[in-house]
This record gives sequence, structure tokens and C-alpha cells, in this order.
Amino acid sequence: EVQLAESGGGLIETGRSLRLSCTTSGFTFSDYAMSWFRQAPGRGLEWVGFTRSRAYNETTEYAASVKGRFFISRDDSKSIAFLQMNSLKREDTGVYFCTRGITGTRYWGQGTQVIVSS
Amino acid sequence: DIVMTQTPLSLSVTPGQPASISCKSSQSLLHSDGKTYLYWYLQKPGQSPHLLIYEVSRQVSGVSERFSGSGSGTDFALHISRVEPEDVGIYYCMQGKHLPLTFGGGTKVEIK
Repeated sequence: EVQLAESGGGLIETGRSLRLSCTTSGFTFSDYAMSWFRQAPGRGLEWVGFTRSRAYNETTEYAASVKGRFFISRDDSKSIAFLQMNSLKREDTGVYFCTRGITGTRYWGQGTQVIVSS
Repeated sequence: DIVMTQTPLSLSVTPGQPASISCKSSQSLLHSDGKTYLYWYLQKPGQSPHLLIYEVSRQVSGVSERFSGSGSGTDFALHISRVEPEDVGIYYCMQGKHLPLTFGGGTKVEIK
């Protein structure tokens, strides 16, 4: 059974850094791209970015709103994807979801909440 | 960026009645590979989104056949043949043709 679980969220001050983890099981992690999405309180879904698989050199893509501040990486040996979030802003507050794949994925984690406050 | 526009914003439906949600994209979602990268998700209260339909009209295994998708180019729709109480939540369309991936604003479905 495919499972994804985000962790690492919490309350953080503006300007600080936070690293989220997405721990997975039930599939060959190294074969898949891994994506991050987020949802601000009471708002819709927003794509954050993704890392391609090793077959595609683990290249990454990001939304303009986080480019240069957020970095996605992966540890294939542990089947974990990471979202490093730097220079956090209040508008980064929300629930962060990891997913398997890039588009049309049916596998999402339950989300981890990040609250950025001054 | 491709803008995805969903209508209506909300829908109140009597159980057993049909419902439809429209999604329009600012650019064609037809890719040169022949596929159209339009997806429908349902996010039930307190849950993560789950995929209902992919590539406009392809059924996801395990999803009720009451859900179907239609459309082409820039105009798409999700149809629920007979709404049931467990269908409440927010429905989102999403385009996967171009980065950044973008979502519609969502349609909240409630039961009368």
C-alpha cells in the first residue's frame, strides 16, 4: 500500500527556516518524482514544486512565489523527500502536502501545518 | 501562467439529483503528445485532495462511476450523475500542461 506522511511543520517566526519531510512506503521511491503542494487557511490549492527522479538528474522546479527560498531534495536510500523552506513569510502559512509524481497523482499525504508568525 | 476558472463557486444539491461543475482554462490544455492534461480532485472536509478524473475523462480506479468528466481544449466539466451525501466537499480542477501547475478556485458542494 502506497503511503506518504509529512512531518516537520509547526509555528515559526518570519524570516526563519523550516524543513519538512515526506516519509514514504509501498512503492519504489527512486522511480518517482515527488511534489509539494500547499493550502493557505480557507484557501485553495497551490503548487509549490517538485523534484524529478534520479533518472532525470533529480532536477527541480518551483513556483515563482517560493523560488530562491524553498528547496526540494530527496534521499532515495530512505524513501524521503524534503522541503527546505528559508526566509519564511506570513503568506507561507498553510498546510503542506507531498505527493507522488507531478500531475494527476492519486497519492497524497495527510499534510503538515506550517504557521509563520511575527 | 494558465488561469483556471471554475463555476459555480458553490452548489447545493438534493441527494439523487445530478450536478455539474465547469472549468475553463486560459489556454488550451491539449499537449502535442495528444493528451489533455486536465484533472479533477475532491477535497473532503479535513482531508487531503483525492483524484477523481485524469486527462479530462479517464476514470480513476476505485472512484465511483457516478463521476465523469468531459470537455476539450479550454472548456471542461465534471459531472456527478446522482449526488450522494458523501460527495460533499470542494472540487478542484487542475491543469498539468504547463508549469506552474495551476488549480481552479474550487467549487463547494453541499447537500440540501
